[in-house]
Amino acid sequence: DIQMTQSPSTLSASVGDRVTITCRASQSINNWLAWYQQKPGKAPKVLIYLASSLESGVPSRFSGSGSGTEFTLTISSLQPDDFATYYCQQYNPYSPWTFGQGTKVEIK
Amino acid sequence: QLRLQESGPGLVKPSETLSLTCTVSGASISSSSHYWGWIRQPPGKGLEWIGRIYYSGNTYYNPSLKSRVTISVDTSKNQLSLKLDSVTAADTAVYYCARAVRFWGQGTLVTVSS
Repeated sequence: DIQMTQSPSTLSASVGDRVTITCRASQSINNWLAWYQQKPGKAPKVLIYLASSLESGVPSRFSGSGSGTEFTLTISSLQPDDFATYYCQQYNPYSPWTFGQGTKVEIK
Repeated sequence: QLRLQESGPGLVKPSETLSLTCTVSGASISSSSHYWGWIRQPPGKGLEWIGRIYYSGNTYYNPSLKSRVTISVDTSKNQLSLKLDSVTAADTAVYYCARAVRFWGQGTLVTVSS
């Protein structure tokens, strides 16, 4: 199975900060990676799919990069609405899918 | 517009079978070449992928749940279903259905308790 290691688990930041979250896959997943944002009591919302494709309606301050085993989600300038928990997910079509452990972005 | 809506009992007794349905509107399960699947989230914890089914019927399950899980589709009702056997308190979670990665239902809480 493909394991996803996400870091950090918690991140304290201020409005306007540049924030980076990393996800590492235990084996190559090409670009089969999605990033989600989840707020309490709500379903996860996809931000990025295929590692770097921005979902329609998602602000351009969110970006994704990487391929193979190393991926990053970057928020270029953190906004008040961005304080939430973020998850990566690999969706390699030839294996079971898995999520990272999550990164909680907190107000510093 | 694609919509997914989970439904089913909110309370299941230990050792029984959890059964959920996901009703899809705005797209046909059988005609679109997409994966349909289930994900769960125990209270206060992270997301756990349960399994998926391709429109052709091929399935993939989380190895840790594989012996207890069945995912199927009812094309006549345009529904996706989940069955999880022999549940315990550890199966208490919000259960989500989704089409691949981009479209999710709002989730339904299932509590396992006597």
